[in-house]
Amino acid sequence: EVQLVQSGAEVKRPGATVKISCKVSGYTFIDYYIHWIKQAPGKGLEWMGLIDPEDGETFYAEMFHDRVTVTADTSTDTTYMELSSLRFQDTATYYCATLQGHWGQGTLVAVSS
Amino acid sequence: QPVLTQPPSASASLGASVTLTCTLSSGYNNYNVDWYQQRPGKGPRFVMRVGSGGNVGSKGDGIPDRFSVLGSGLNRYLTIKNIHEDDEGDYHCGADHGNGTYFVWVFGGGTKLTVL
Repeated sequence: EVQLVQSGAEVKRPGATVKISCKVSGYTFIDYYIHWIKQAPGKGLEWMGLIDPEDGETFYAEMFHDRVTVTADTSTDTTYMELSSLRFQDTATYYCATLQGHWGQGTLVAVSS
Repeated sequence: QPVLTQPPSASASLGASVTLTCTLSSGYNNYNVDWYQQRPGKGPRFVMRVGSGGNVGSKGDGIPDRFSVLGSGLNRYLTIKNIHEDDEGDYHCGADHGNGTYFVWVFGGGTKLTVL
């Protein structure tokens, strides 16, 4: 069974950095790109970026490219999404997912002073 | 890159059928679209992929046969027959677009399905 298991909820101050993990199982880690998607409260889905775990190549959405970093650790089959310079508008649930239809359970990040 | 447009809301009575629409922007009529179901308080769940010729590949895990798709021109449809209470939620469509040096995964705004 394919599973993407994400780290737990975070509360951060404005200006801080958050790093979320996504551990995969049930398939060969390097076979699929891992994507990160943002969903603000009551809003739709917004693609942030992806990583090819095989070679570490990344693509980022224009809106996030200067603040997001996605990495992959093939020794633990885990990808990480780091978002810096947090703003109140970054309060959202963040998902990792594959284009093959597998999604993590989501990680809530709350930015609060 | 493609733009996906979805009506913000839809409703249907228990046991009835409903068809949800996702419309691709002009010039992208050969693109596949993925449908996702998101129940209240839950994460997105893959339903199935649809192209201009209809269903592409397998349905998501546990998706019942009541769910079907159709593609026509720029439109990608998701039909739910014999609607159940737990079909209520948001339905998102998504499409990926890239050429090796550029990639983007775009989503429609989502349609909120209310079961009456």
